[in-house]
Amino acid sequence: NAGVTQTPKFRILKIGQSMTLQCTQDMNHNYMYWYRQDPGMGLKLIYYSVGAGITDKGEVPNGYNVSRSTTEDFPLRLELAAPSQTSVYFCASSYTQPPYEQYFGPGTRLTVT
Amino acid sequence: AQTVTQSQPEMSVQEAETVTLSCTYDTSESDYYLFWYKQPPSRQMILVIRQEAYKQQNATENRFSVNFQKAAKSFSLKISDSQLGDAAMYFCAYRSLNYGGSQGNLIFGKGTKLSVKP
Repeated sequence: NAGVTQTPKFRILKIGQSMTLQCTQDMNHNYMYWYRQDPGMGLKLIYYSVGAGITDKGEVPNGYNVSRSTTEDFPLRLELAAPSQTSVYFCASSYTQPPYEQYFGPGTRLTVT
Repeated sequence: AQTVTQSQPEMSVQEAETVTLSCTYDTSESDYYLFWYKQPPSRQMILVIRQEAYKQQNATENRFSVNFQKAAKSFSLKISDSQLGDAAMYFCAYRSLNYGGSQGNLIFGKGTKLSVKP
């Protein structure tokens, strides 16, 4: 049981490049989330999904896109990378029932230069 | 919208001593969940403890306990018998049970960096 896995762990992008951050969970959770963590800040929600085929924007969605074709996978796409997207990205998943604990992946540190 | 405030950017504690981390939140909802997460240098987010708002009894997990004051909207974390491995960032988080908005995402405070001195 691997929990939530994310790839890659680290990435450096040039301004204007694009990339996809991968996220997979093996706990059969319906709810999945993408957060970003900037230095000295808590995590902020980028996008979330309540099940395969259903996604919606969170607090900071600009510059990102997501898809959810399966229960297990929830990739995050960065289009036209900008320095403001330098951050640590976390994927998380949770059950739809109490106690609603969110399980986090190990994070991806992304630098855009 | 709900907000979470952690007023202590950094705290320090001597090994084996007790430390309390503060968290306040703002909400108009009556039912919700509160969490404390630990983030060591490895970056992994680890759940420390959770509290259901409808429960008056404070949650406890081994050396970790909370002081939940619903009327004051306060949710502090007490770490007893501090150990070197407790050194980390600690985040307080709020989860709404109102499904009219984002589905169950966590709203985080900015975190408190805890150092443990040997």
